[in-house]
Amino acid sequence: KQEVTQIPAALSVPEGENLVLNCSFTDSAIYNLQWFRQDPGKGLTSLLLIQSSQREQTSGRLNASLDKSSGRSTLYIAASQPGDSATYLCAPGSEKLVFGKGTKLTVNP
Amino acid sequence: NAGVMQNPRHLVRRRGQEARLRCSPMKGHSHVYWYRQLPEEGLKFMVYLQKENIIDESGMPKERFSAEFPKEGPSILRIQQVVRGDSAAYFCASSSTTGPTEAFFGQGTRLTVV
Repeated sequence: KQEVTQIPAALSVPEGENLVLNCSFTDSAIYNLQWFRQDPGKGLTSLLLIQSSQREQTSGRLNASLDKSSGRSTLYIAASQPGDSATYLCAPGSEKLVFGKGTKLTVNP
Repeated sequence: NAGVMQNPRHLVRRRGQEARLRCSPMKGHSHVYWYRQLPEEGLKFMVYLQKENIIDESGMPKERFSAEFPKEGPSILRIQQVVRGDSAAYFCASSSTTGPTEAFFGQGTRLTVV
């Protein structure tokens, strides 16, 4: 059974900082891993999709890495902005996505 | 190309009533997943469906909950005889295939049982 852990559970940083969100998972038999953001009371927005054969994926100020063999992924956010404040979820996927509890990020102006 | 559409966005039911939640996948997507998010909890998988087939319902409560994805029309998550503990946000996701494809989520239906 896949279990996903995200560290830290919450993070508060001043605007402009670079930060790293961590995700670990127990079952490395995955097709891909997705990172999402969820704003309060909203749905999930897909940020990045990393295929199991890839090591990293980049989109703007976001960079996600995947080490499938060790069951780890990191999301790197460069030059954080208040608009980045949200809960970030990682979800390794096989037949279905399994979610961690997320990291609640607050970027202070 | 509209995204995943869920309706209603908010649903209030009295205890004992039935709740029906609808999900229209993205155009061209034939795989639908339902997730439940309880207050202050993570998203929990409920069921995975393809057209006219339930592929994996390992996350569905044994009683009162059912799901379908007919040949025509949206996927339906049905909760009979709702109880207060069913109050949650229910999210639907769709993908074009299973495996290494991106899943897209709807905005969710927030069910409140009073």
